[in-house]
Amino acid sequence: SQQGEEDPQALSIQEGENATMNCSYKTSINNLQWYRQNSGRGLVHLILIRSNEREKHSGRLRVTLDTSKKSSSLLITASRAADTASYFCATGNGGATNKLIFGTGTLLAVQP
Amino acid sequence: DTGVSQNPRHKITKRGQNVTFRCDPISEHNRLYWYRQTLGQGPEFLTYFQNEAQLEKSRLLSDRFSAERPKGSFSTLEIQRTEQGDSAMYLCASSFEPSSGANVLTFGAGSRLTVL
Repeated sequence: SQQGEEDPQALSIQEGENATMNCSYKTSINNLQWYRQNSGRGLVHLILIRSNEREKHSGRLRVTLDTSKKSSSLLITASRAADTASYFCATGNGGATNKLIFGTGTLLAVQP
Repeated sequence: DTGVSQNPRHKITKRGQNVTFRCDPISEHNRLYWYRQTLGQGPEFLTYFQNEAQLEKSRLLSDRFSAERPKGSFSTLEIQRTEQGDSAMYLCASSFEPSSGANVLTFGAGSRLTVL
């Protein structure tokens, strides 16, 4: 089952614009991660934020986490056509299996 | 070691046939996960191995599904008597034992199953 939902389901922007994706989840978490998936391929880890952190940066990526609202956002600045992909948030509760539960994803299309 | 390898990449089969997928994780990784992903959805957890022990199975994993990880190395996922609803991408991922509670997964490219 999915942990939560992402919003929007699909997003189309022009190259150079910023893209913001939101993720909501349902249960308490230890950490939240964002993954990217190109069409027909596996997922690639982008960035991780722990439950005691509020914001994290990595290159053109910025992630925020609000545990009181059970939500996170991923901002991609100065987008490029190569950023076109599906983006998924995934939550971990640090339990015995430490499995990740994924959201439903946002399909981002960056027009050149 | 170039990452997580999955074979075959694509499998087309007729309903009722058995299929088997193989996953070769990163050699240093002791944790291995199988996920299933249908079109337009996020990956859904199927099962987890720590070394050779299968420690968790999702309710999604019906009796027709079986997974193994002999000797804690590669893993296989077998689906018996396939149904059209089994059509999906089957993803394998592996990871280190996390030292700080945060488990970052490395995924393979997936095995896409089409059941006719």
